[in-house]
Amino acid sequence: SQKIEQNSEALNIQEGKTATLTCNYTNYSPAYLQWYRQDPGRGPVFLLLIRENEKEKRKERLKVTFDTTLKQSLFHITASQPADSATYLCALGGVTGGGNKLTFGTGTQLKVEL
Amino acid sequence: EPEVTQTPSHQVTQMGQEVILRCVPISNHLYFYWYRQILGQKVEFLVSFYNNEISEKSEIFDDQFSVERPDGSNFTLKIRSTKLEDSAMYFCASSARGPNTDTQYFGPGTRLTVL
Repeated sequence: SQKIEQNSEALNIQEGKTATLTCNYTNYSPAYLQWYRQDPGRGPVFLLLIRENEKEKRKERLKVTFDTTLKQSLFHITASQPADSATYLCALGGVTGGGNKLTFGTGTQLKVEL
Repeated sequence: EPEVTQTPSHQVTQMGQEVILRCVPISNHLYFYWYRQILGQKVEFLVSFYNNEISEKSEIFDDQFSVERPDGSNFTLKIRSTKLEDSAMYFCASSARGPNTDTQYFGPGTRLTVL
């Protein structure tokens, strides 16, 4: 069956450290993968998009990798701050036969502590 | 910066009533979507819309649901006869281009509560 798994429901790290979030999928062949941030009661906010032919993408303190062989994406936040505390969602797109809908994982709740 | 807007932010309705959720997508975008998120669960795709017609819909999007672009700026989701299990956050999204090419930008959501 098709599945998207994001590591542990919650991740607590200390301010200044690097947070690493994982997204693993099975029985999908996405053309691209997107990461979103979601705060409680709010809509997902786009962070980064990485395509199947790209290995890595960066934006300021954010970095995402995409390994289509392992069927995994890693999302890194360097020099983390308490303001980075939120739920982070990965979403697969461009799945064969799936048009342009996004299929979301359940999210990882990140808490950055002082 | 352009953004997707949604109204109302919160809608309370009685079971069996009709509701219309409204969205104004980003102005130069061509693809429009509705997603929903039941409390504590993941975001789920409902429907995508392009060129004035539905391009894809999920199993959730049954005959009780419909979408419309009544003018050049609004995009609506109608639920004809609401059920308790329709209670969720409903998100509208839009993108500039289609498959494999572009990012979907989400609105702040409408919280629908069915009593």
